[in-house]
Amino acid sequence: GDSVTQMEGPVTLSEEAFLTINCTYTATGYPSLFWYVQYPGEGLQLLLKATKADDKGSNKGFEATYRKETTSFHLEKGSVQVSDSAVYFCALSDISGGYQKVTFGTGTKLQVIP
Amino acid sequence: SQTIHQWPATLVQPVGSPLSLECTVEGTSNPNLYWYRQAAGRGLQLLFYSVGIGQISSEVPQNLSASRPQDRQFILSSKKLLLSDSGFYLCAWRIGDSGYTFGSGTRLTVV
Repeated sequence: GDSVTQMEGPVTLSEEAFLTINCTYTATGYPSLFWYVQYPGEGLQLLLKATKADDKGSNKGFEATYRKETTSFHLEKGSVQVSDSAVYFCALSDISGGYQKVTFGTGTKLQVIP
Repeated sequence: SQTIHQWPATLVQPVGSPLSLECTVEGTSNPNLYWYRQAAGRGLQLLFYSVGIGQISSEVPQNLSASRPQDRQFILSSKKLLLSDSGFYLCAWRIGDSGYTFGSGTRLTVV
């Protein structure tokens, strides 16, 4: 079945540092890929997405490129801020049993310190 | 505009008590609706999804159940809660392949 693997957290960075959160996936079809962000005490929000190979999703300074050859969708940001502290989830959307389902990674907690 | 409402925000229930969490959506019709649970230190686990009124698919066997009495209403229930039911419950809906829109979540603590 489909699966998503994220790097273990927590990740602690100083403000303005470069961020990379690794995400790899396995899927039987041609999935769409997503990054969601969960701020403390809140639900999940869609951060960015990519629907086909070589697409780059971007939002709020975050970027991720759909790499089919390496089955990866790593999240990057050039300069993190304290307000980026949150849990980040990588996810894929694929057809399974006739329905579109989404599989999430376990989440990576990011803590940015001033 | 399209919005999703989920309540209550927090809930503390004793073991063996019943549960009812409600989720409603506005601004759309015939949405695909989902219930997820996020246990402490773990990722998201899909519990139920529904593609229409009265249509419920269960992903994980457990003492929870779901119902969809109306097009825009999705209810998560239990007759008797267990300690292991504690977690953060999220309702979500999906439009095409644009990803999910999540509710604000319900933090359930079973004591």
